[in-house]
Amino acid sequence: SAVISQKPSRDICQRGTSLTIQCQVDSQVTMMFWYRQQPGQSLTLIATANQGSEATYESGFVIDKFPISRPNLTFSTLTVSNMSPEDSSIYLCSVWDSLTQNTIYFGEGSWLTVV
Amino acid sequence: AQSVAQPEDQVNVAEGNPLTVKCTYSVSGNPYLFWYVQYPNRGLQFLLKYITGDNLVKGSYGFEAEFNKSQTSFHLKKPSALVSDSALYFCAVRDLEYGNKLVFGAGTILRVKS
Repeated sequence: SAVISQKPSRDICQRGTSLTIQCQVDSQVTMMFWYRQQPGQSLTLIATANQGSEATYESGFVIDKFPISRPNLTFSTLTVSNMSPEDSSIYLCSVWDSLTQNTIYFGEGSWLTVV
Repeated sequence: AQSVAQPEDQVNVAEGNPLTVKCTYSVSGNPYLFWYVQYPNRGLQFLLKYITGDNLVKGSYGFEAEFNKSQTSFHLKKPSALVSDSALYFCAVRDLEYGNKLVFGAGTILRVKS
């Protein structure tokens, strides 16, 4: 299975600031995704990170709030901009590739608390 | 669009007893179904999947799931529960129409008591 590393693992952020989360995979993967898990909730897809082009955002998520980069096939970043307490969540990177035998794997998540 | 339902918010079972965590799905084509587990303060760990083939799928930590096409269900099972199985369990379906994303159920908390 793919090994996915996320940084930071946890952070406490001030209201109005921005934070960038990094996701590094130990192998080249076709697709990378960013999910959000709000406290006590299930996971919701924010966007699909596309290598070399703009990310594809789900309904309710916009690029100005959650800019995403994917410069190559092993790395992606998600920025949470102008944070408010409602952004306090776990943000999870996930990957899919034919080499992972149709399985989507997740990182350990980045636990953000906005104060 | 694909969807998944986990009808139970919480399942309680005694250690050593069999456990079942329920999941039903709605898809327009062939389902790709997954179970994940989330332990406290951890990310999601893959347990097992159904893509095609045998209806009984075996996964990690002694878990298995039975795909039932007529009932559109994919229930997670384990013959003998452990206290360490206590966690949050998510059923998910892969949405092939929309870029392979996963659509998750609401999650079921499993509590195993000794």
